[in-house]
Amino acid sequence: DGGITQSPKYLFRKEGQNVTLSCEQNLNHDAMYWYRQDPGQGLRLIYYSQIVNDFQKGDIAEGYSVSREKKESFPLTVTSAQKNPTAFYLCASSIPGGASGNTIYFGEGSWLTVV
Amino acid sequence: RKEVEQDPGPFNVPEGATVAFNCTYSNSASQSFFWYRQDCRKEPKLLMSVYSSGNEDGRFTAQLNRASQYISLLIRDSKLSDSATYLCVVTGATDKLIFGTGTRLQVFP
Repeated sequence: DGGITQSPKYLFRKEGQNVTLSCEQNLNHDAMYWYRQDPGQGLRLIYYSQIVNDFQKGDIAEGYSVSREKKESFPLTVTSAQKNPTAFYLCASSIPGGASGNTIYFGEGSWLTVV
Repeated sequence: RKEVEQDPGPFNVPEGATVAFNCTYSNSASQSFFWYRQDCRKEPKLLMSVYSSGNEDGRFTAQLNRASQYISLLIRDSKLSDSATYLCVVTGATDKLIFGTGTRLQVFP
């Protein structure tokens, strides 16, 4: 079945460590996104990519990095510079033309906890 | 002022009740509006788009009021399975999606 796969689902990180969250999609979507969700808050955009080898900062990009070497893959690295990384991370993709709500698909999310 | 605002709830209602949520948005140039449903510890899923003329999907009715800049979601005959957080989503500048913080609904027997 077509969809978006995020891994790992649960991840624990020690302070000072970098971690990478994987996101793979087989929907042939050009655009991919990373969001962060904190308890009681809405989704906030970290980074997005509208085409291979290109990506843009979202609203809260500090302390994060991404790459888009393949259309199917958009990994997110949470660096040690991110001061409060504990959160629920959601990867999404959409068809060309932008992220209208009825054309965006989410992965199941990754829970990152700093210990 | 937040770009998209919702009452966080929780709204606790008995089965069979009718419940309504509102969501206000600040950008009068917004073009697209949606309601998403998010279950606990899960990803958001599209519930329905919101059209200017209002639209209905079974027990769910969505409406848009551009003059007052709000959208609403009405759920009739609430079921236990409707318990979730309902996210209001609006497109902002350059078609960017803006998510509300969500309204939590708890339906009890």
